[in-house]
Amino acid sequence: DVKVTQSSRYLVKRTGEKVFLECVQDMDHENMFWYRQDPGLGLRLIYFSYDVKMKEKGDIPEGYSVSREKKERFSLILESASTNQTSMYLCASIGGGQETQYFGPGTRLLVL
Amino acid sequence: AQSVTQLGSHVSVSEGALVLLRCNYSSSVPPYLFWYVQYPNQGLQLLLKYTSAATLVKGINDFEAEFKKSETSFHLTKPSAHMSDAAEYFCAVSGMGSQGNLIFGKGTKLSVKP
Repeated sequence: DVKVTQSSRYLVKRTGEKVFLECVQDMDHENMFWYRQDPGLGLRLIYFSYDVKMKEKGDIPEGYSVSREKKERFSLILESASTNQTSMYLCASIGGGQETQYFGPGTRLLVL
Repeated sequence: AQSVTQLGSHVSVSEGALVLLRCNYSSSVPPYLFWYVQYPNQGLQLLLKYTSAATLVKGINDFEAEFKKSETSFHLTKPSAHMSDAAEYFCAVSGMGSQGNLIFGKGTKLSVKP
């Protein structure tokens, strides 16, 4: 079974802090994704990566950056957290010629 | 361009009743279509997917969906709702050559009344 893990389930940060969200997958998948989920808005793509050191902006990249130094790990960085970044963050991966994205359990971030 | 519309942000059914969650899509390439379920405080779990094989797709927990190209629909059904089906359901579309990128609908929250 594919396993996607996220470093924290719940996180509380202060406005202006730098925040790191980590995602690790164990299936050697090429592609990885970061989404944020808000009530009534569904999932919106922040960034994705097709390979190590490669990244592409999604629909809402403002205020975020990403890092992919190793194939199995994809990090989302909030350079200076703001209250409007309070949300649920979901990581996903896909690869091996499959069509299905596999999701991690999510990180619920609260920015005070 | 691709998009997904889920009709009804909230659906409520009685236990034992038919579940019908609606999804319409638009896609400029042959689509792959997915239904995911999200239980409270969890990530998304794949229920079923259509990838250009059989148009009637069966998934986990007795859910199924039918791909209807003429109606650009991929509605999710279950003959008899169970209390444990209460969750949020997301329809999503991708296409060949999209490198796995998914476009999600806004979700439908299913409530099941005893």
